[in-house]
Amino acid sequence: KNEVEQSPQNLTAQEGEFITINCSYSVGISALHWLQQHPGGGIVSLFMLSSGKKKHGRLIATINIQEKHSSLHITASHPRDSAVYICAVDRGGSNYKLTFGKGTLLTVNP
Amino acid sequence: NAGVTQTPKFQVLKTGQSMTLQCAQDMNHEYMSWYRQDPGMGLRLIHYSVGAGITDQGEVPNGYNVSRSTTEDFPLRLLSAAPSQTSVYFCASSYRVKGELFFGEGSRLTVL
Repeated sequence: KNEVEQSPQNLTAQEGEFITINCSYSVGISALHWLQQHPGGGIVSLFMLSSGKKKHGRLIATINIQEKHSSLHITASHPRDSAVYICAVDRGGSNYKLTFGKGTLLTVNP
Repeated sequence: NAGVTQTPKFQVLKTGQSMTLQCAQDMNHEYMSWYRQDPGMGLRLIHYSVGAGITDQGEVPNGYNVSRSTTEDFPLRLLSAAPSQTSVYFCASSYRVKGELFFGEGSRLTVL
């Protein structure tokens, strides 16, 4: 079993819908990252969080450390949100190696 | 600031050839790392560095070398390319070891 599992693997939505992408992990962590990768493009960091909730524009990330679970929400989705969303965990301490999920491919249709 | 700059963006090699992927950042970041991205798999760490003169292995270091002689540069060397090294490579950096990551645009390498 992978240490970081994302669901769903693929998600198709209509423009305007509320989107939720989930990330579950099986190890203790000090922080969790959400990244965005557009098709054929580079990777952009969206959030780094260790507790609670963060919001940036239409994007909201939450984390529940006790349940080992994080969610990325997109409100009022738009076709430009179509991308792969990647979750990565930092196990903390002197471990400098992030562990990545396989990503969730989101397609938002107009 | 240019951010994280990777070159080349595309490269085709023959088996056994060597090459260097360049990575430079102008943000005075402490931490730099190299990842490979393959279809159906998450990003996998090849090597990383927590400062000039300090490097360490990641998950998949075999066949790759790195050095960090300056804060700005972190080149990745393929010593003798193999078809299994066909992949997209990303360099990333962060201001502090446990900080937000900034990625380069990626380098697509094909080994024939």
